[in-house]
Amino acid sequence: DAGVIQSPRHEVTEMGQEVTLRCKPISGHNSLFWYRQTMMRGLELLIYFNNNVPIDDSGMPEDRFSAKMPNASFSTLKIQPSEPRDSAVYFCASRRTSRTNIYGGEQYFGPGTRLTVT
Amino acid sequence: GNSVTQMEGPVTLSEEAFLTINCTYTATGYPSLFWYVQYPGEGLQLLLKATKADDKGSNKGFEATYRKETTSFHLEKGSVQVSDSAVYFCALRYSDSNSGYALNFGKGTSLLVTP
Repeated sequence: DAGVIQSPRHEVTEMGQEVTLRCKPISGHNSLFWYRQTMMRGLELLIYFNNNVPIDDSGMPEDRFSAKMPNASFSTLKIQPSEPRDSAVYFCASRRTSRTNIYGGEQYFGPGTRLTVT
Repeated sequence: GNSVTQMEGPVTLSEEAFLTINCTYTATGYPSLFWYVQYPGEGLQLLLKATKADDKGSNKGFEATYRKETTSFHLEKGSVQVSDSAVYFCALRYSDSNSGYALNFGKGTSLLVTP
């Protein structure tokens, strides 16, 4: 399996521009997570999907951030407009959850997208 | 609320030294506890886990014991190698379904092992 795939790996953009980060979870996984990692705040959970439905978006910092999961194999995290304080590494993770394993299996992380907003 | 506190890094050790990275937690209910490792330029990988009190998780020479009485899950390794240089994250899994059984991570501890 190719693992969780994220693109782009690096993104440099100017303040005010729209940024879209993409994630392809592991095939067969039905839960997907978006995290943000910074030196100051560590690893923060932004939003979590189960079966393509957003379950908990309380970690999304503000309305400039939005996430979608149109199908089981694709999710996007969009920032519009971007600001310098959004600079961070954004991770996507997926896992398989079932009725017999409600806690879910291991969470597998993608390699991350390093976003720099100038 | 649920939270994890890790010792501040960076930690610098010589090869073959003994490693301890402290982790304590606060949580309602009975969380599961995890250690994840992040090698440079990569995403996080599960290193070990423990799902109930007194459980010991182990992998690749690393160990951690779930201590409910001290609310701790300290990571240890008897003899570190240069290849262990990475950032280590302690995490707990919420025990309530409303959170989707998501993970709550500590801030991470950077380990550098020198030859």
